[in-house]
Amino acid sequence: NAGVTQTPKFRILKIGQSMTLQCAQDMNHNYMYWYRQDPGMGLKLIYYSVGAGITDKGEVPNGYNVSRSTTEDFPLRLELAAPSQTSVYFCASSSGRDSGNTIYFGEGSWLTVV
Amino acid sequence: AQKITQTQPGMFVQEKEAVTLDCTYDTSDQSYGLFWYKQPSSGEMIFLIYQGSYDEQNATEGRYSLNFQKARKSANLVISASQLGDSAMYFCAMRAFAGNQFYFGTGTSLTVIP
Repeated sequence: NAGVTQTPKFRILKIGQSMTLQCAQDMNHNYMYWYRQDPGMGLKLIYYSVGAGITDKGEVPNGYNVSRSTTEDFPLRLELAAPSQTSVYFCASSSGRDSGNTIYFGEGSWLTVV
Repeated sequence: AQKITQTQPGMFVQEKEAVTLDCTYDTSDQSYGLFWYKQPSSGEMIFLIYQGSYDEQNATEGRYSLNFQKARKSANLVISASQLGDSAMYFCAMRAFAGNQFYFGTGTSLTVIP
């Protein structure tokens, strides 16, 4: 029962490098999300998707890109990494639009940009 | 616009005592869901409890209960008989009807003292 799986769990990037955080869910959820959590802070939405082929910006999309070619996968791309992108990244999914459907999180990816 | 406010950055409670974590929300929607999540030091986000805006009874899940006061737009989490393992960050969240997004508060850090 995997749920939401994120890789890698830890990564150190140099300024200007690029990388992709992978996210996959096996619950057949339509809704998927990427959040970042800075130390001692709450969650800020980066991007979300309501289904394959559909993505939309959240609160803090600058410096990131996403794609959703399948229902299962929702990778987050960091282009030209900056120290301000040092954070913990959470991928999450939800089954539907009903307000009672909870959100399921992956275990998080710790990213440091130096 | 939706907004979640958690005004207690940190709370302390004696083991075996009850504690209330505050959450207020702002929405113009009539139908919405309210959620609480726990984030231990290991970093994962754990779903605790859900309350629907039309639910007449306060939600309960084991030692967790949600004190829902709709007119005051508050959804406080009550943890009874606190345990050392309850020490963690706690996040309140809301999802509006047919909503694509979850909105999170900034969290409350709970420390249980032996």
